[in-house]
Amino acid sequence: GAGVSQSPSNKVTEKGKDVELRCDPISGHTALYWYRQSLGQGLEFLIYFQGNSAPDKSGLPSDRFSAERTGGSVSTLTIQRTQQEDSAVYICASSLEAAGELYEQYFGPGTRLTVT
Amino acid sequence: GNSVTQMEGPVTLSEEAFLTINCTYTATGYPSLFWYVQYPGEGLQLLLKATKADDKGSNKGFEATYRKETTSFHLEKGSVQVSDSAVYFCALSGSSWGKLQFGAGTQVVVTP
Repeated sequence: GAGVSQSPSNKVTEKGKDVELRCDPISGHTALYWYRQSLGQGLEFLIYFQGNSAPDKSGLPSDRFSAERTGGSVSTLTIQRTQQEDSAVYICASSLEAAGELYEQYFGPGTRLTVT
Repeated sequence: GNSVTQMEGPVTLSEEAFLTINCTYTATGYPSLFWYVQYPGEGLQLLLKATKADDKGSNKGFEATYRKETTSFHLEKGSVQVSDSAVYFCALSGSSWGKLQFGAGTQVVVTP
């Protein structure tokens, strides 16, 4: 079946511009995660959505970052007034979720963001 | 807070050689431990996991044992293939909803 998809695959933007990154999770997955992978580093958690609950935004690095998930499916990560340090690969993951259980996260291919 | 430390790469070895990638962690409580693999041009995939002390995760010839006494989860494979060339990430989850804390990743290059 279809996996997690992300668009665009690559994005180059000028410093100060806003960007939107899209994630389409696997159908039926109620949990959605955003991570960021900077060069030579592991994935850094950004934000987590679970069903209709309030998202866990504890990993967002600044108030320039925001994310929403419409209809419990597609998610958009928005970065306002981009800075060069925002350059990274932004990775989305989704999973089934049940209270007290851990389910495998399925990762998308990522969006490579370059801020010039 | 929680953290994961894994050996730096790249690790270069010949086909059929033995592979070990060290991973140690710091966490409160009893985290679950994971190894993820990222093949060139692809997204991360779960390779194996262990949810409690002394558990051994295994998949595709890879193994890792959850050692609470040494806070380690080292990845091993007895005979690597060129197709095992990838970046390997150690990760832990200390919460019930699966938030993952990743190590920096170790690139493995296997030559024929």
